[in-house]
Amino acid sequence: EAGVTQFPSHSVIEKGQTVTLRCDPISGHDNLYWYRRVMGKEIKFLLHFVKESKQDESGMPNNRFLAERTGGTYSTLKVQPAELEDSGVYFCASSQSIDTQYFGPGTRLTVL
Amino acid sequence: RKEVEQDPGPFNVPEGATVAFNCTYSNSASQSFFWYRQDCRKEPKLLMSVYSSGNEDGRFTAQLNRASQYISLLIRDSKLSDSATYLCVPDSTLTFGKGTMLLVSP
Repeated sequence: EAGVTQFPSHSVIEKGQTVTLRCDPISGHDNLYWYRRVMGKEIKFLLHFVKESKQDESGMPNNRFLAERTGGTYSTLKVQPAELEDSGVYFCASSQSIDTQYFGPGTRLTVL
Repeated sequence: RKEVEQDPGPFNVPEGATVAFNCTYSNSASQSFFWYRQDCRKEPKLLMSVYSSGNEDGRFTAQLNRASQYISLLIRDSKLSDSATYLCVPDSTLTFGKGTMLLVSP
């Protein structure tokens, strides 16, 4: 069974540019989560989708971040415009129920 | 009080040693708990789930103390490959601790 995949694995952009991260969850998993780990800090929750609906987006830092999951399959996380403090590793995870989450390999974002 | 607190370590132990670390949580309503391990620059991988008083899986034992609101992870007969950061997650409420780094040396 294929695991959670994320694209790209690395992204280097300049401040003010836009970046879109993609996450493909495990097939059949209705729950999809986005997390972020900034250098030296703990992993922080960003938001949780159940199918295409945002169940909890309390962790989204500000309105420069937009997550979508049209059709309830893959999800995108857009950062526009990117700021220096957005640099970090963005993880996606999926689960079948509100239970064990399976993580993707992460996208390492560097904003210069 | 932070939602999840862990001793960041590092815990330096020789191969074969037994090591234990704790994680305290603040939300008394948490019902289930998870230990993840994270290798350097990799994603967290689920190690164990804890739903009642504890769980054992081979060399790994997780204990839950609801009265004191902590969970512990015990690793027996440490292997070099156990070197990683261990993250504690109460519930799927998605709050991770900073993790405890374990370094097992030959």
